[in-house]
Amino acid sequence: GAVVSQHPSRVICKSGTSVKIECRSLDFQATTMFWYRQFPKKSLMLMATSNEGSKATYEQGVEKDKFLINHASLTLSTLTVTSAHPEDSSFYICSAIRQGSEEKLFFGSGTQLSVL
Amino acid sequence: SQQGEEDPQALSIQEGENATMNCSYKTSINNLQWYRQNSGRGLVHLILIRSNEREKHSGRLRVTLDTSKKSSSLLITASRAADTASYFCATDDLKTSYDKVIFGPGTSLSVIP
Repeated sequence: GAVVSQHPSRVICKSGTSVKIECRSLDFQATTMFWYRQFPKKSLMLMATSNEGSKATYEQGVEKDKFLINHASLTLSTLTVTSAHPEDSSFYICSAIRQGSEEKLFFGSGTQLSVL
Repeated sequence: SQQGEEDPQALSIQEGENATMNCSYKTSINNLQWYRQNSGRGLVHLILIRSNEREKHSGRLRVTLDTSKKSSSLLITASRAADTASYFCATDDLKTSYDKVIFGPGTSLSVIP
């Protein structure tokens, strides 16, 4: 089956630093990927839609300059949390669309970000 | 913004019992999907039901969809302790994009051995 790899799975950083999270589709090309944020015991909140070769589309209330998304190739999207602060601590999950499959949306295993 | 809403938010049952979770949504959809998430992990796709389908089965899972009521249910029969997880429904939104998927708040299921 299709696999989406997300890296790193866990990251701890100091306040003020930037953290990059990678999302790769391993056996298919994904022109569209999505980034979600999840707080403990809560649902997934869609942050942005990542489009290959164009700017990401952000959901209302999500800071574009805070959460930089780059989708430079058909198999890789990155989310950079810039100048991270403790309130950015969360679980971030990516997903990629695989056209032609019924399931269509495949998820990475998530990244737990802890900002000290 | 969240589109789907699950009911109940938390459910605790004995092993062997059936578990039923409900989901409601607000807009017109192309399909509705159910996912499972173990604590701190990624999502596992369980089943997809299209808007023109009313019921679908997969192993111990049974999903229904009522587009007139904008609701769906997920039934897990003969539950096992390993079914303990959070379950989310997710819908696309025909008004915005066929691909954009919005998740409900989820139901936390605990199956007691």
